[in-house]
Amino acid sequence: DTEVTQTPKHLVMGMTNKKSLKCEQHMGHRAMYWYKQKAKKPPELMFVYSYEKLSINESVPSRFSPECPNSSLLNLHLHALQPEDSALYLCASSGAGPADVYEQYFGPGTRLTVT
Amino acid sequence: GQSLEQPSEVTAVEGAIVQINCTYQTSGFYGLSWYQQHDGGAPTFLSYNALDGLEETGRFSSFLSRSDSYGYLLLQELQMKDSASYFCVLGGDYKLSFGAGTTVTVRA
Repeated sequence: DTEVTQTPKHLVMGMTNKKSLKCEQHMGHRAMYWYKQKAKKPPELMFVYSYEKLSINESVPSRFSPECPNSSLLNLHLHALQPEDSALYLCASSGAGPADVYEQYFGPGTRLTVT
Repeated sequence: GQSLEQPSEVTAVEGAIVQINCTYQTSGFYGLSWYQQHDGGAPTFLSYNALDGLEETGRFSSFLSRSDSYGYLLLQELQMKDSASYFCVLGGDYKLSFGAGTTVTVRA
């Protein structure tokens, strides 16, 4: 199974809402990532989990809170977002070795709109 | 820090060959990857070069010259389905940094 799944596909939320994005992979990968992508721009790294531990936080505002409950699941909890946070949120996974980071498998993304 | 430069757009006809160049600056080099992303889709891994030379995968090839801080992606026998954005990507410290992307448009 070489698929990364993400739910929901689309999400519209108000600035006072709390919501969560979910990501799942069954490839036995031990590194998982969250990216944010604005239209016509490249993906921007937000968080990296390695062996279920947060290893990289790219200075992301605290209104984004990641969680890795187990080796297959990755969540992104959202709270008090701003309209400028509207974007495509991509989850990816890879092996955890230093060379494995180059070959990441991406999910289809969650298109988030903050109103 | 890291920086990458690649052309913003390339247009070609079906059956043609397209080369997307990428120059980079980095304090520590670990490898150069290429990803494809169709409009509305997810990025898909195409290739990875850690050492100098050419890597071939079907119609796509990727080249790296570490001494010149330069690489390219070669798309041969272009097909309509190759219309997409292509990103050169630097790796290191367990994370990827994407270039701005090159939009390839294939015309009939």
